[in-house]
Amino acid sequence: ILNVEQSPQSLHVQEGDSTNFTCSFPSSNFYALHWYRWETAKSPEALFVMTLNGDEKKKGRISATLNTKEGYSYLYIKGSQPEDSATYLCALLETSGSRLTFGEGTQLTVNP
Amino acid sequence: KAGVTQTPRYLIKTRGQQVTLSCSPISGHRSVSWYQQTPGQGLQFLFEYFSETQRNKGNFPGRFSGRQFSNSRSEMNVSTLELGDSALYLCASSLQFTSGTGYTFGSGTRLTVV
Repeated sequence: ILNVEQSPQSLHVQEGDSTNFTCSFPSSNFYALHWYRWETAKSPEALFVMTLNGDEKKKGRISATLNTKEGYSYLYIKGSQPEDSATYLCALLETSGSRLTFGEGTQLTVNP
Repeated sequence: KAGVTQTPRYLIKTRGQQVTLSCSPISGHRSVSWYQQTPGQGLQFLFEYFSETQRNKGNFPGRFSGRQFSNSRSEMNVSTLELGDSALYLCASSLQFTSGTGYTFGSGTRLTVV
């Protein structure tokens, strides 16, 4: 059974601040690591899928890195905007490819 | 293109009843998985179907079951409802497990058991 921990649990930042949060996992025995953004009253939206140690992905102001050897992934948001307010979920896709194990998420609030 | 459609959006049931939730995946997606979210808990995996076959099942009692039809639409059923089954149930679809684009989630069904 895969284990995923996310920190911090919640984060409040000011508009324009850059921020980052962590997803950690004790075992690298998984197929891929996913990041999702989940805004209130909407569906979780896929941000990144990473599979290789050293992977770096970027989408606009948001980027993510993966370090399977040390067991963590970072999500960075540069110049946070109020519309970035959401819960950010990290999930591991097990090697069977049929099951995602989610962390409990980091709830980000960006104050104008 | 149309997203993942879940019906109904909201449901209120009484303890002991059963309920069926429906999920229509994105056209062409053959994998459908189900997740439960309860207050204070992360998303918990229920089961996953691929081409009408259940490939994986989470740690839920046998009261939770599902199926997938030949058009990839999926249903999940919960029998003998308990208060603790009150939750948001999310369905997700993907092309295949090797997809690099992640899962596409529906808006969910909010089930309340009274």
